Amino acid sequence: NAGVTQTPKFQVLKTGQSMTLQCAQDMNHNSMYWYRQDPGMGLRLIYYSASEGTTDKGEVPNGYNVSRLNKREFSLRLESAAPSQTSVYFCASSEAPGASQPQHFGDGTRLSIL
Amino acid sequence: DAKTTQPPSMDCAEGRAANLPCNHSTISGNEYVYWYRQIHSQGPQYIIHGLKNNETNEMASLIITEDRKSSTLILPHATLRDTAVYYCIVRVTGNQFYFGTGTSLTVIP
Repeated sequence: NAGVTQTPKFQVLKTGQSMTLQCAQDMNHNSMYWYRQDPGMGLRLIYYSASEGTTDKGEVPNGYNVSRLNKREFSLRLESAAPSQTSVYFCASSEAPGASQPQHFGDGTRLSIL
Repeated sequence: DAKTTQPPSMDCAEGRAANLPCNHSTISGNEYVYWYRQIHSQGPQYIIHGLKNNETNEMASLIITEDRKSSTLILPHATLRDTAVYYCIVRVTGNQFYFGTGTSLTVIP
């Protein structure tokens, strides 16, 4: 059982380049999330999708866009990468939104922007 | 918003029970207590959660005090693979889980 799969695992970009981070879950979960993790900052929510067809901003959405492609897949796009977006990005999913549902995380994408 | 306090680090002998404490004295009645762990370079791994009652699963036990102001995560027989940072979370707002600084657990052979 793969759980939450993220691709790629590592990526180096130049400032101004664009790229899409992919996330897929095989647990038939309704809700999916994108976080970034920076040293000393904990995890911060970028965007989330409570259910297929909906997306909402989290704490730090600027510079990012998302697409909930179907129930399984939720992608994160950087249109014009900036060095401040160097981070580890985690995708997560849960059966439903809300505080009573645990979120299950992928192993992350380590992104460096030069 | 409820905040958590955890010791920054702990050691545990391999094979012994690891008891990780968490203080959440400002927790409100509808806030769950969650435990996650993160092994270096991996994503956070869900361990267990509870509201009022003690909980047990295949990984751990969660003991919540009657006043809900503190809790303890118990790993019954710690192994070297349990070395990780453990996060106690009680604040979940707007669908965001707020991870603090956690407890770095080192299991010693």
